[in-house]
Amino acid sequence: QVNLLQSGAALVKPGASVKLSCKASGYTFTDYYIHWVKQSHGKSLEWIGYINPNSGYTNYNEKFKSKATLTVDKSTNTAYMELSRLTSEDSATYYCTEGIVYWGQGVMVTVSS
Amino acid sequence: DIVMTQAPLSVSVTPGESASISCRSSKSLLHSNGITYVYWYLQKPGKSPQLLIYRMSNLASGVPDRFSGSGSETDFTLKISRVEAEDVGIYYCGQLLENPFTFGSGTKLEIK
Repeated sequence: QVNLLQSGAALVKPGASVKLSCKASGYTFTDYYIHWVKQSHGKSLEWIGYINPNSGYTNYNEKFKSKATLTVDKSTNTAYMELSRLTSEDSATYYCTEGIVYWGQGVMVTVSS
Repeated sequence: DIVMTQAPLSVSVTPGESASISCRSSKSLLHSNGITYVYWYLQKPGKSPQLLIYRMSNLASGVPDRFSGSGSETDFTLKISRVEAEDVGIYYCGQLLENPFTFGSGTKLEIK
C-alpha cells in the first residue's frame, strides 16, 4: 500500500532554513506527482506546489515561490521541500501527498528563537 | 485564485441520520474534457486529510458508499448517509482545476 513517511518535527530559528523529507513506498515513485500542503494551526489547507519526480519539473503556488523549493532523489524515492528565511508565519504542519490522494503523516515546523 | 466557500461551518448529526455539506466555487470547475475537478477530504482529529470523493462524484478507494458527491459547475454537495461516530472531523472541499489549487475553510461534523 502507498506510504509516505515524513521527517520528524522541527524547531528552527527565525531567518533560518529547514529541509523536510518525504519517503515514498508502495508504488512507483516516478509515476505520480508529489504535492506539498501547508496547514497552519486550526486553519484550512494551502497548496504549496508539486514536483514531477520523473522529470523534476515543479509547479508552485505563486504565494510560495520564494519560500519553498521542491526536489526529489529518485534513488531513494524521497521528496524534499526546503523552506527558507523562516518567520513565525511559517509555523505550521506540512504534508506531502501523492497526487493529493495519499497523504503523509505531516510534520510540524515551529519557528521560534 | 478560485475561492471555495463551504457551508455550514459546523453540523451536529444524530447517528443514523444523514448530513449534507455544501461547497461553492468562484469559477466553474468543469474542464473542457468533461471532468469537474472538485474533491472532498475528511480530516479526522489529529490525523492527515483523507480523500473521500474525487472529480466531483467518484468514491475513493476504501471509502464507504455512505458517502456521495454531486453538483454542477460551481455548486457541490457532499452527502453522508447513515452517519456513524467514526465520521467526525473536518470536511474540506478542494479544487484541482487550476494553479493555485485551493480548499474551502472546512465544515466540522459532530455527533449529537
